[in-house]
Parts: sequence; structure tokens; C-alpha cells
Amino acid sequence: GNSVTQMEGPVTLSEEAFLTINCTYTATGYPSLFWYVQYPGEGLQLLLKATKADDKGSNKGFEATYRKETTSFHLEKGSVQVSDSAVYFCALSPRANSKLTFGKGITLSVRP
Amino acid sequence: AAGVIQSPRHLIKEKRETATLKCYPIPRHDTVYWYQQGPGQDPQFLISFYEKMQSDKGSIPDRFSAQQFSDYHSELNMSSLELGDSALYFCASRPTSGISYHEQFFGPGTRLTVL
Repeated sequence: GNSVTQMEGPVTLSEEAFLTINCTYTATGYPSLFWYVQYPGEGLQLLLKATKADDKGSNKGFEATYRKETTSFHLEKGSVQVSDSAVYFCALSPRANSKLTFGKGITLSVRP
Repeated sequence: AAGVIQSPRHLIKEKRETATLKCYPIPRHDTVYWYQQGPGQDPQFLISFYEKMQSDKGSIPDRFSAQQFSDYHSELNMSSLELGDSALYFCASRPTSGISYHEQFFGPGTRLTVL
């Protein structure tokens, strides 16, 4: 079946530090890949997506590249801010109309 | 821009009671998904509907049922509530076509607490 594996957390960084959150997946074919962010007490917001191999999704300074050869979709940001503190979920969808399968999520805390 | 609307936002019920959660998708979105997120957990898919027909089913207990109505809103009915049903319930909708075709847009969720 389909699955998503995220690095274990939580992660605590100082402001302006570099961020990498690892995500690998197992799926047949070419799933679409997503990063969702959940701020405290709020719902899920799509951060970025990639729908085919070698696509790079980007938004708000965050980037992730769809790597078919390593089945990975790692999230990166060059300089994190306190406002980036949230829970980050990697997810996949095997087809456009399919359910999302999420990773366990990782909590990011950014210190001033 | 219009977003997915869920009601109520918070719900407190006793064990063995019933609950009904409602979801109003973004206009012109014809697919609705329901997810359950337990405390500190990742969201788990429950059920989905496309054009008012059930399109997929996940780990939804038999005590739960759902449907999508002619105006595309959806309701999740939960009976014989158990303590373990306490969770955040998300609804998401997806457009039929366009550049956002692959995206699911999530509502703010309904937080259900079973006492």
C-alpha cells in the first residue's frame, strides 16, 4: 500500500537557521506529493505540491523537489522565522481524485 | 476567496450519544473527503464522495455514516459515540478541473469531545 515516512521530531531551531524536513514515500506509479502545515489550533493548509518527477514546489520560502529515484520529497527553507512554528505533514495522493495519505507530522519550533 | 465551511466548530457529547458534522465545500467543488485526526496524530481518511456518490472508503467505523447532498454539502453522522471518537474531523473539497485539480482544500475542522 501507499505510505509516507517523515523524520521524527520535534525540531527546534533558532531564527534564520536552515531547515530540512525529510520525507520519503512508498507508492506505485507516480503519485502527487504535498506538504501541508498546521498552525496551533487551526486546520490544514497546503504549503506546496509537486505532481510529477523532478517538479519543484515552492511557497513562502519553502521548497521541495519530487525525487522519483530516491522516492523523496524533502522540505527545505533557507532561513526560518518564528512564525514558521507549526506542525508539517508530508502527504501523497496516488491519483488526482484519491484520498491523501499523510506522514506522522513533525513539530517545528523556532526560537527568536 | 470562499473556503470550506464546517459546522459546528466544537461539539461536546456524552458517550453513546449521536453527532452530526456538516461540511460545505467550495463552490464548483464536487468531491468531498472526510478525515479524522486524533490528538497528536496524522489525519486518517474516513470516506469520500464524488457527485453525491461514495467514491472511496477508509477506516470508518460502522457506527459512522455519511452522505453528500444535491447541493454538494456533506454530513458525517456518528452514533453510539465512544471516548476514542474524540478527535478533530476535517472535511476537504477538490475541484473537478483546473490548475488546482490535484489539491484538496481543507476546512477548519470540527473538534469533537466525547465525555
